[in-house]
Amino acid sequence: LAKTTQPISMDSYEGQEVNITCSHNNIATNDYITWYQQFPSQGPRFIIQGYKTKVTNEVASLFIPADRKSSTLSLPRVSLSDTAVYYCLVGDNNAGNMLTFGGGTRLMVKP
Amino acid sequence: SAVISQKPSRDICQRGTSLTIQCQVDSQVTMMFWYRQQPGQSLTLIATANQGSEATYESGFVIDKFPISRPNLTFSTLTVSNMSPEDSSIYLCSVGRAPNEKLFFGSGTQLSVL
Repeated sequence: LAKTTQPISMDSYEGQEVNITCSHNNIATNDYITWYQQFPSQGPRFIIQGYKTKVTNEVASLFIPADRKSSTLSLPRVSLSDTAVYYCLVGDNNAGNMLTFGGGTRLMVKP
Repeated sequence: SAVISQKPSRDICQRGTSLTIQCQVDSQVTMMFWYRQQPGQSLTLIATANQGSEATYESGFVIDKFPISRPNLTFSTLTVSNMSPEDSSIYLCSVGRAPNEKLFFGSGTQLSVL
């Protein structure tokens, strides 16, 4: 199971683009990368998942370099409501181990 | 998506008592999981609730302390037994439609043990 490392916290201002990087040096060939968002008093919510290169949806983009040892979640033009904890998970989609949450990154968006 | 209803949303309990938390999903799901999240911390997987069989527990969690039931594909319960203040935490139910597809979470049960 690949271990992930994220910054503990980040600050940003409204309207800025925020990039949160996750390191996963021991990622295996079959591992996928998944990001969740958690607001206070709520359960985590799926944001995006990817395997390589770039994935984009209506909420965020996920950039994964060729060696896949890291990934970057990009949130365009954040607002105050994006203040939350963001978790990066790495695991094998076929092996039942995409269940372990790392420490997460606490993002604070300021006005 | 999956809509998860978790009850109770919060409770305050006395030391030595037990609390059963219910998780109801609006559709049949293959995978159901129970997590614990202590204040300001990340989520820790307690166990996988298996329909029709005994739950699979993670290291550090045992059936006597956290008995789990899963009578069908839409419902599960987690009991926190013989509670102590160290059990004060948020307990979260999570479901997945297939192995390692994205997880959906309930809003959690905030438990305080006095």
